[in-house]
Amino acid sequence: DTGVSQDPRHKITKRGQNVTFRCDPISEHNRLYWYRQTLGQGPEFLTYFQNEAQLEKSRLLSDRFSAERPKGSFSTLEIQRTEQGDSAMYLCASSLGGRVNEQFFGPGTRLTVL
Amino acid sequence: GDSVTQMEGPVTLSEEAFLTINCTYTATGYPSLFWYVQYPGEGLQLLLKATKADDKGSNKGFEATYRKETTSFHLEKGSVQVSDSAVYFCALWMDSSYKLIFGSGTRLLVRP
Repeated sequence: DTGVSQDPRHKITKRGQNVTFRCDPISEHNRLYWYRQTLGQGPEFLTYFQNEAQLEKSRLLSDRFSAERPKGSFSTLEIQRTEQGDSAMYLCASSLGGRVNEQFFGPGTRLTVL
Repeated sequence: GDSVTQMEGPVTLSEEAFLTINCTYTATGYPSLFWYVQYPGEGLQLLLKATKADDKGSNKGFEATYRKETTSFHLEKGSVQVSDSAVYFCALWMDSSYKLIFGSGTRLLVRP
């Protein structure tokens, strides 16, 4: 399978704990995105990488959130001191860029904060 | 700011019925427009796209036409199947931005 993969698919944690998610994009894609989707809503943009550079961060991404893409391949999203409001589906997408930025999405990581 | 508005669901149809899901957008320029579909338990899949006014995107029997005059990109299918039951998201992308902006989604339920 050469699509976008995410790990884990599900994560249950207690409030106050730290969690880390991983995304592996399609191998030739230099752009990588993180989105958050809550129940009944469309995905909302969190952050964007071009190769290893983080070029844009949404105001949704509080100081407790950090994302990295150290070698321009896989990316990690860490949430520190989780809160119940962080419960959501975290989606990763990748693209080649270009004039029409067709983004391909992974299956998502569902986070539940108890 | 830029935004997408979709008709609220759920939309419930019988098999072989005609489908329309409305989508309108607000943008400062000329966006590219997309429809994504999310089947139960799966990730978002690109269904179709259109990059300029009057373009028609089509895939798997679904169609949508980019109407600049009405800022719309309505999704249509002539005869739905049970397997089309899913959540459909309309989205826009601007050249000046990296991100997709999504509507809130419309759930479609097709009954046999």
